[in-house]
Amino acid sequence: EAQVTQNPRYLITVTGKKLTVTCSQNMNHEYMSWYRQDPGLGLRQIYYSMNVEVTDKGDVPEGYKVSRKEKRNFPLILESPSPNQTSLYFCASSRGTRFEAFFGQGTRLTVV
Amino acid sequence: SQKIEQNSEALNIQEGKTATLTCNYTNYSPAYLQWYRQDPGRGPVFLLLIRENEKEKRKERLKVTFDTTLKQSLFHITASQPADSATYLCASNQAGTALIFGKGTTLSVSS
Repeated sequence: EAQVTQNPRYLITVTGKKLTVTCSQNMNHEYMSWYRQDPGLGLRQIYYSMNVEVTDKGDVPEGYKVSRKEKRNFPLILESPSPNQTSLYFCASSRGTRFEAFFGQGTRLTVV
Repeated sequence: SQKIEQNSEALNIQEGKTATLTCNYTNYSPAYLQWYRQDPGRGPVFLLLIRENEKEKRKERLKVTFDTTLKQSLFHITASQPADSATYLCASNQAGTALIFGKGTTLSVSS
């Protein structure tokens, strides 16, 4: 089954404790991206990747890092999480930006 | 900067009526627009894509139009049902840049 898998689904952590949210797709897609979704602000793009070893900042990259060492994986790293990064995070993949995007189930992150 | 906007945050209609949602874009000319459905706490799910040279596209009870003169796309759900209640997002980008989304319109269909 074609899918985008994020882990974990839920995470509560403390300020400053490094964490990684994993994202994996099994569709051989070149394009992957991370979004955060907050009430009233919609989906805002954090980082995106057009292919392996190619990443670029989205609208809200501050406080986040990504890497794309393999085509299927695109982890999101928060090196020193802060409470303002409490949000619902989504990973997405597609054949390219002109094709439909497939989204993961979401990761609800709470930073206390 | 390029912007994509959905003017209505919420739309309430009665079962059986046609729901019409609007998406406007500014500062760019997208080659296509996409529409997604999102249920609470879940990831968006792709519904339809329409290209700039297509005036209209249909899929079952869904219809999308693309008016490059008005810089607008309309999304219609005919014979709406309570199960259609969800948030609907439009999305697009310029060539080579990231896919961006509007904030969404939350549709509520009452029986």
